[in-house]
Amino acid sequence: AQKITQTQPGMFVQEKEAVTLDCTYDTSDPSYGLFWYKQPSSGEMIFLIYQGSYDQQNATEGRYSLNFQKARKSANLVISASQLGDSAMYFCAMRVYEYGNKLVFGAGTILRVKS
Amino acid sequence: KAGVTQTPRYLIKTRGQQVTLSCSPISGHRSVSWYQQTPGQGLQFLFEYFSETQRNKGNFPGRFSGRQFSNSRSEMNVSTLELGDSALYLCASSLGQRQNYGYTFGSGTRLTVV
Repeated sequence: AQKITQTQPGMFVQEKEAVTLDCTYDTSDPSYGLFWYKQPSSGEMIFLIYQGSYDQQNATEGRYSLNFQKARKSANLVISASQLGDSAMYFCAMRVYEYGNKLVFGAGTILRVKS
Repeated sequence: KAGVTQTPRYLIKTRGQQVTLSCSPISGHRSVSWYQQTPGQGLQFLFEYFSETQRNKGNFPGRFSGRQFSNSRSEMNVSTLELGDSALYLCASSLGQRQNYGYTFGSGTRLTVV
């Protein structure tokens, strides 16, 4: 069964430092997509970054990069130069196909940026 | 361009009542999916619609239903509400069903059942 595991319930990082949020996944499907979303206290899910299973290079979007290690089935999010506004819940998700598409989410990691 | 619009933002209902939530996807997006978020169960997939057809359904009782209209707008309905239905309901739209199409989420509808 497809599954996403985020082992860090909460993380603290000092402002302007980099932080890595862990994500491992499990699937037997050779074609899949991995996403990271940010959810502030307002509730909206904000798309951060996407990595396709066949992509050769790690995805980057501004201060966000995805450390994709396919053999280890990990897709860690790296946030560089943390800002106070980065404080939020972060979800790793995998797009799976079962008669149609859906996202399978991890439990999330709460990130708190300290000044 | 306008994002995904969910209405209403907040809702309080009584046990046994029914509720209808609405989602307007990004213009041009034909796929709409719904998710339930609770502190205990996290984010769980409810259903996905594409071109007015339900393509996928999560493991929820039949009290949860949905539909999609020809303009891609979607509604979900929950009948005979239970206290456990209290949750944030998120709608996501996507261009289609290709693997690399991303999802854009709305701000959600926070449902409280009392």
